[in-house]
Amino acid sequence: SQTIHQWPATLVQPVGSPLSLECTVEGTSNPNLYWYRQAAGRGLQLLFYSVGIGQISSEVPQNLSASRPQDRQFILSSKKLLLSDSGFYLCAWFRGDTEAFFGQGTRLTVV
Amino acid sequence: GENVEQHPSTLSVQEGDSAVIKCTYSDSASNYFPWYKQELGKRPQLIIDIRSNVGEKKDQRIAVTLNKTAKHFSLHITETQPEDSAVYFCAAKGWSNYQLIWGAGTKLIIKP
Repeated sequence: SQTIHQWPATLVQPVGSPLSLECTVEGTSNPNLYWYRQAAGRGLQLLFYSVGIGQISSEVPQNLSASRPQDRQFILSSKKLLLSDSGFYLCAWFRGDTEAFFGQGTRLTVV
Repeated sequence: GENVEQHPSTLSVQEGDSAVIKCTYSDSASNYFPWYKQELGKRPQLIIDIRSNVGEKKDQRIAVTLNKTAKHFSLHITETQPEDSAVYFCAAKGWSNYQLIWGAGTKLIIKP
């Protein structure tokens, strides 16, 4: 069966520090992968999506970037975090053309 | 592009009563409409979905209705229970899209 892993679950980082969040999918090949951010009490904001290795589409201009070095790996990065980057980050994979499966999420607090 | 609006943003109902959350979409080509439930601090999870060739779908206490002409769809929860308290998201997707377009979410509060 397919599973999606995301880590770490919680992260506290100082302003100006780098960020790297990793997401991997098992049990499927060539998945469409997504990074979302959710501010406290708010909806899901799509940050990036990828339909294949090295293919990244950005939805929101910001100081974040994404990379897909392998078929089942999706990484969210930042060179210098801002206070406004705090939030709940979710990686997602779409099964076929329908259901989205989410990773456990990473709660990022920038201090 | 597609736009999905969701109402209300917060809904408080007495335990045992029914809850209804409504969404409207703008792109008539959208053909897949899922609903996700997100408990506090957890990931969103699919609870029910409907395709554009179906008008209604039920799964125990949960049902979704779709009106393609009016471009709106609704989530109905009957006999609400405390564990139904969560944030619910609707979404819409078309065949040519790589992504789901999400509603802003509804916080459902079940009062004992």
